[in-house]
Amino acid sequence: AQSVTQPDIHITVSEGASLELRCNYSYGATPYLFWYVQSPGQGLQLLLKYFSGDTLVQGIKGFEAEFKRSQSSFNLRKPSVHWSDAAEYFCAVGAGDYKLSFGAGTTVTVRA
Amino acid sequence: DAGITQSPRHKVTETGTPVTLRCHQTENHRYMYWYRQDPGHGLRLIHYSYGVKDTDKGEVSDGYSVSRSKTEDFLLTLESATSSQTSVYFCAISQGLAGEDTQYFGPGTRLTVL
Repeated sequence: AQSVTQPDIHITVSEGASLELRCNYSYGATPYLFWYVQSPGQGLQLLLKYFSGDTLVQGIKGFEAEFKRSQSSFNLRKPSVHWSDAAEYFCAVGAGDYKLSFGAGTTVTVRA
Repeated sequence: DAGITQSPRHKVTETGTPVTLRCHQTENHRYMYWYRQDPGHGLRLIHYSYGVKDTDKGEVSDGYSVSRSKTEDFLLTLESATSSQTSVYFCAISQGLAGEDTQYFGPGTRLTVL
């Protein structure tokens, strides 16, 4: 079965600084990979997804992620964070069986 | 945003009472899912459905049952609620297309079992 590890529980970043959130997955074949964001008290919103093709994926809100098969990683990046990016971020992996496995999440705090 | 609603949005109940949560979609998606979210665990799949009357267990299904009598509705029942079932519950939907199984989430239901 597939699994996901998000090594960072909490990250604090200054407004305007760059952000990188790490995601490592375990799955034998090519996975389907997702990043979701959850603002406080809200549901999960899809940021971006990777199924195949170009390993650098662009998403909403200025985020991008890069699939690196050799490292089993799918890290999320944003060049310049805004205060509104403070949220919890979840990485998820799918194996094509219509089910997803989620990481434990990374909480991002943005300081002025 | 995908047309997904959950009801109720908040519920407080007592140990041993039955509880039913409802998920309603207007997207005509084939797959529907129930997750629970707990700190440090991310989201864990409880049950899912791949069609009317077709359901299967997820990784944390003990103590929960589900039903889907219509495409648009997916019910989660706690037959006898326990304090360990205090959590935030999310419903999700997906089209179930081969090679494309993006899930879209509802707003969540916060359940407290006293």
